[in-house]
Amino acid sequence: NAGVTQTPKFQVLKTGQSMTLQCAQDMNHNSMYWYRQDPGMGLRLIYYSASEGTTDKGEVPNGYNVSRLNKREFSLRLESAAPSQTSVYFCASSDGPGLAVDTQYFGPGTRLTVL
Amino acid sequence: AQSVTQLGSHVSVSEGALVLLRCNYSSSVPPYLFWYVQYPNQGLQLLLKYTTGATLVKGINGFEAEFKKSETSFHLTKPSAHMSDAAEYFCAVSQQTGANNLFFGTGTRLTVIP
Repeated sequence: NAGVTQTPKFQVLKTGQSMTLQCAQDMNHNSMYWYRQDPGMGLRLIYYSASEGTTDKGEVPNGYNVSRLNKREFSLRLESAAPSQTSVYFCASSDGPGLAVDTQYFGPGTRLTVL
Repeated sequence: AQSVTQLGSHVSVSEGALVLLRCNYSSSVPPYLFWYVQYPNQGLQLLLKYTTGATLVKGINGFEAEFKKSETSFHLTKPSAHMSDAAEYFCAVSQQTGANNLFFGTGTRLTVIP
């Protein structure tokens, strides 16, 4: 049971380049989430998906798109990377239909630098 | 709207000493409250959570937290610190209705001195 896996672990982009961060979970969870973690700011929700086929914006969605490819996979795309998107990105998943009481399980993160 | 304030971005304690990490929240509706821990180069993992019922919540690794509604607090404690407790700790809040949107505090880095 690998839990939540993320690829890549590290990435360096130039301004304007695009990339997709991949996330997969093997716990048969319904809900998945993307967060970014910046120094001194804690984690902030970018997008979430309460179930396969649905996605919703979180606190900081601008500059990002997501795809819930199937129940296991939830990808985050940066169409035109900007230095302000330099951050550590965490994917998480939770059992249940995305209720507030559900425990979230986090992946190890992707450290992204945009030059 | 919810928000979380963690007092002290860095806390140092001696091995064997009491650990106290402070968390205050604001929420317009009854909240669910969480403490997560992040070890170096790892994702976050749940230490404990308060949903309803008993206000003293016990978690993993000997940690516990008490929900005090009158003080809007959810401080994390451990009677005796171990070296392995060195990590960053995040308090988070979500509202009891609606989607599972966690609002995180800015984190407290705990250092344990041998």
